[in-house]
Amino acid sequence: DAEITQSPRHKITETGRQVTLACHQTWNHNNMFWYRQDLGHGLRLIHYSYGVQDTNKGEVSDGYSVSRSNTEDLPLTLESAASSQTSVYFCASSEGEKLFFGSGTQLSVL
Amino acid sequence: AQKITQTQPGMFVQEKEAVTLDCTYDTSDPSYGLFWYKQPSSGEMIFLIYQGSYDQQNATEGRYSLNFQKARKSANLVISASQLGDSAMYFCAMREGFGNYGQNFVFGPGTRLSVLP
Repeated sequence: DAEITQSPRHKITETGRQVTLACHQTWNHNNMFWYRQDLGHGLRLIHYSYGVQDTNKGEVSDGYSVSRSNTEDLPLTLESAASSQTSVYFCASSEGEKLFFGSGTQLSVL
Repeated sequence: AQKITQTQPGMFVQEKEAVTLDCTYDTSDPSYGLFWYKQPSSGEMIFLIYQGSYDQQNATEGRYSLNFQKARKSANLVISASQLGDSAMYFCAMREGFGNYGQNFVFGPGTRLSVLP
């Protein structure tokens, strides 16, 4: 079955380190998204991509970057991790009406 | 401006009773979609129900129905015959954009539902 996979599921890092969260989908969807989930805020959009070589900033993009070199992958990079980036991160993809989510990555920045 | 508003941070319902979770939205796009997702304590996001802006009938999926009032810009989720397993966080979301390109999904802050035995 097609799916969307995030790795790692859990990550602990130190402030100032670069961290990359992986997202891989096998649906061949053009649209991919990264969200962060924090209590009281729901899911907030970090970055999104509508296809290969296309990337766009969402509402909370500061300190994050993405790249889209193929259809399947949209890795999210924290250039210099900060404690404010401790959160649960969800990758998602869409084609048509539905948004499909990965299982999430719990990131702790100490 | 907040595009999706969920005014109930938390709600309680007795098992086997019905419950309505409120959601209002704001968009100027004539074509949009409205969704509800469930997030249990395990953390995964589970799709529940979808309503398109041009759909004439309210969407239903088993015990879930979406009370769509377009003029009021509301898309309330109704869960009938609540079960203990319905205890979870519920998110209302909206898709803007037409077709497969240029979609944007926005989420509300969520409502935590607790079902009491």
